[in-house]
Amino acid sequence: SQQGEEDPQALSIQEGENATMNCSYKTSINNLQWYRQNSGRGLVHLILIRSNEREKHSGRLRVTLDTSKKSSSLLITASRAADTASYFCAPRTDKLIFGTGTRLQVFP
Amino acid sequence: EPEVTQTPSHQVTQMGQEVILRCVPISNHLYFYWYRQILGQKVEFLVSFYNNEISEKSEIFDDQFSVERPDGSNFTLKIRSTKLEDSAMYFCASSEDLSGGHGYTFGSGTRLTVV
Repeated sequence: SQQGEEDPQALSIQEGENATMNCSYKTSINNLQWYRQNSGRGLVHLILIRSNEREKHSGRLRVTLDTSKKSSSLLITASRAADTASYFCAPRTDKLIFGTGTRLQVFP
Repeated sequence: EPEVTQTPSHQVTQMGQEVILRCVPISNHLYFYWYRQILGQKVEFLVSFYNNEISEKSEIFDDQFSVERPDGSNFTLKIRSTKLEDSAMYFCASSEDLSGGHGYTFGSGTRLTVV
């Protein structure tokens, strides 16, 4: 198992702007998952990208995966105040291990 | 949408007391997990459970901790003799498979406060 390293640690943007978060990991994976955590709440699974996929979309979310660079990015387009949360990537081999995440603050 | 249900949402206990945190995973899921999050810190893996036995546990999961699936629906975490440092949010999660194409579904957590 391994944890992802998210970057930046914190991100502040205005509503309507796009938010990009990056993730790096160390070893080969089966898939990579992104989760969101609102303060004090459980994690919510956002999107999963398999190791043989390069890009995936879900609503306002776009995830890319570059297995040669062992990195992934999560783009949230047209952000809303409700997107304010911490975001975690989880490179999956067996169990999920979480890093410190990116704290996203979206100002109205 | 199916949910993982955790009870209670908040538990206050005295140091040295036993606590049982309860979880009802999604019915067709086979893999179950407990995680904890100390205030302001990372979400940490505690234990995974499959086929009525522990698959893997972290070094946090010492002899004070145990897990059980007492019936076909509940999944419990017991802390035998709580310490102040056990104060944290405890999250239960379940998944359909071990390393395939599905994410975990997490419950909303139990906030454990040891006084």
